[in-house]
Formats: sequence, structure tokens, C-alpha cells
Amino acid sequence: DTAVSQTPKYLVTQMGNDKSIKCEQNLGHDTMYWYKQDSKKFLKIMFSYNNKELIINETVPNRFSPKSPDKAHLNLHINSLELGDSAVYFCASSQDAEGGDEQFFGPGTRLTVL
Amino acid sequence: EDQVTQSPEALRLQEGESSSLNCSYTVSGLRGLFWYRQDPGKGPEFLFTLYSAGEEKEKERLKATLTKKESFLHITAPKPEDSATYLCAVQRSYNTDKLIFGTGTRLQVFP
Repeated sequence: DTAVSQTPKYLVTQMGNDKSIKCEQNLGHDTMYWYKQDSKKFLKIMFSYNNKELIINETVPNRFSPKSPDKAHLNLHINSLELGDSAVYFCASSQDAEGGDEQFFGPGTRLTVL
Repeated sequence: EDQVTQSPEALRLQEGESSSLNCSYTVSGLRGLFWYRQDPGKGPEFLFTLYSAGEEKEKERLKATLTKKESFLHITAPKPEDSATYLCAVQRSYNTDKLIFGTGTRLQVFP
């Protein structure tokens, strides 16, 4: 059973397009996250949601909009894609936002903007 | 400003050659320090959490230690399957849901 899953695994698209990445966790966790990993492998948090409520919104362009329909799902919609958005996007989840629990990561979505 | 620095960037070891990876941190109030392993094309996989200076944790050939300024990941008699990128991350005592990652150490172990 996959704990944190993401779709699609690869996404190749043209500049200016709008795309979405989906994430689901079956761990019963309350908190979910989106991270961006750049070409130098630096992993940086973008958003976190706790029980469908936005907690963290780092300095991310407002072209990025997370949506959490329920606590097991956190999707990421990106408008007007730019070349600099090319990266690997990871979804993660943890039991709660304050307990210091480990975060479980999904397999990543490699986004390439042409 | 909170910062996590890992060294070396890359490390090549012969199988059985023990070594250590370093994670230096500057954070205003540390709640926990995390070690993750990341294989190519996959998401990070949790290894350890350390909460206080002097704490140590072990898992197979890996041992993590923590001081007030840095953490070490000691690898004893590594095998080729230990090859991966090892990531360190800190969690502050406030905004606890945010992990601040270092850029990782890419470890290659040759038979």
C-alpha cells in the first residue's frame, strides 16, 4: 500500500499553461505539505495544511494555489506556468503539525516547463 | 536567519570504509533535527529525529548524534546499498510544522 501518492509522476508542458498535481495520503494524518526541490536538490516548503486549513504559505507566487478537499487530499494548481517552475514537487504528510512527527514524502512529480 | 549547512556535498567511499556526514545548523530555538535518505527519483525517507544535545540514535550501519551546533551521521562499514543523498532538516520550537532542509550530502559507496 502506498502511503503518500502523487499524480502525475512526470509533467511536461508549455509556458503559460495551467496544470494540477494531485496528492493523496492513506495514513490518517492531519497535516499535509507541498515542497519544491530545485535542480540543486534543495528542498523548500511551499504550503502546509492542517485538517483542510492553510497553515504555512511561504513566499510562493500566487500562481500557485493549493486546495484541500478533505484531510487525505492536497492538490496543487499552477497557473501561467513559467520556465522557473521546472522542478520536482513533493507532497508529504505528518500526524500533526506540532508533535515533531516525521513527515512521509510522496514519490515526487517532475515538472518540466518548455 | 535560520540556516542548515551540510558537508561534504559529495562523498565517495569504498565498501567497508567508515565515515561521517556533517550537518551544521543555526536556528532560533531547535525543537528537533531530522535525517532523511533520498534515493534518485524518489521522495525523502525518514531515518531519525534527534531532540536534545547528547542524544544518539542508531539504525543498522547508521548512527546520528546531536550537539548544540551540529549533527553527525556516522556510517560504519558502508555497503553499496547505502548510496543515496542524505538530507538534514531542522524544526524550530515555533512554526513547528515547517522543516528547514540542508542541500544534502550525496554518498556513493563502491564495492
